[in-house]
Amino acid sequence: EDKVVQSPLSLVVHEGDTVTLNCSYEVTNFRSLLWYKQEKKAPTFLFMLTSSGIEKKSGRLSSILDKKELFSILNITATQTGDSAVYLCAVEANSNYQLIWGAGTKLIIKP
Amino acid sequence: GAGVSQTPSNKVTEKGKYVELRCDPISGHTALYWYRQSLGQGPEFLIYFQGTGAADDSGLPNDRFFAVRPEGSVSTLKIQRTERGDSAVYLCASSQPGLGGQFFGPGTRLTVL
Repeated sequence: EDKVVQSPLSLVVHEGDTVTLNCSYEVTNFRSLLWYKQEKKAPTFLFMLTSSGIEKKSGRLSSILDKKELFSILNITATQTGDSAVYLCAVEANSNYQLIWGAGTKLIIKP
Repeated sequence: GAGVSQTPSNKVTEKGKYVELRCDPISGHTALYWYRQSLGQGPEFLIYFQGTGAADDSGLPNDRFFAVRPEGSVSTLKIQRTERGDSAVYLCASSQPGLGGQFFGPGTRLTVL
């Protein structure tokens, strides 16, 4: 059965800290891995990763994929209170278009 | 439009009533998805449209749920005889096949009393 597992489930850090969020997967016919940030209702797209070892970067956020070990990490440096959110990882398989979702990591940044 | 829009943003209804939730995808996106999300969980797939047709409705929980996309753009999710267990945030996403990534609307929070 296809599955996506995120860790930790929740994380509390202080502003300025660096955090690393993990996403591991077991999916048949992997196509891509996506990271989303969810604050209120809808997930906001962050990154799509398809190739191993190529870092995607956007400001203080970066992500990388390891297709051999079947995981991805999302790094956030110099965290700010506005980074507080649930970070969701989802995997898309070639065989269908459905996204297989992790349960998310709830990140809380304390001032 | 610039992004996916959904209306209403909130809907409160009574058990047994009928509701319609609307999704307007990003212009030019041929693929449209409906999900629902309960507190503390990732989105749960409901149905996928490619153009006007429902390519996969295997995620619809039962026959009280139905969705249409008659002109290949706007979609409506219809729920008959609502139950308290239908309370959730209903998310719509669109994508352009081949480009990857699904872009989500703000969601509709449905509360069934």
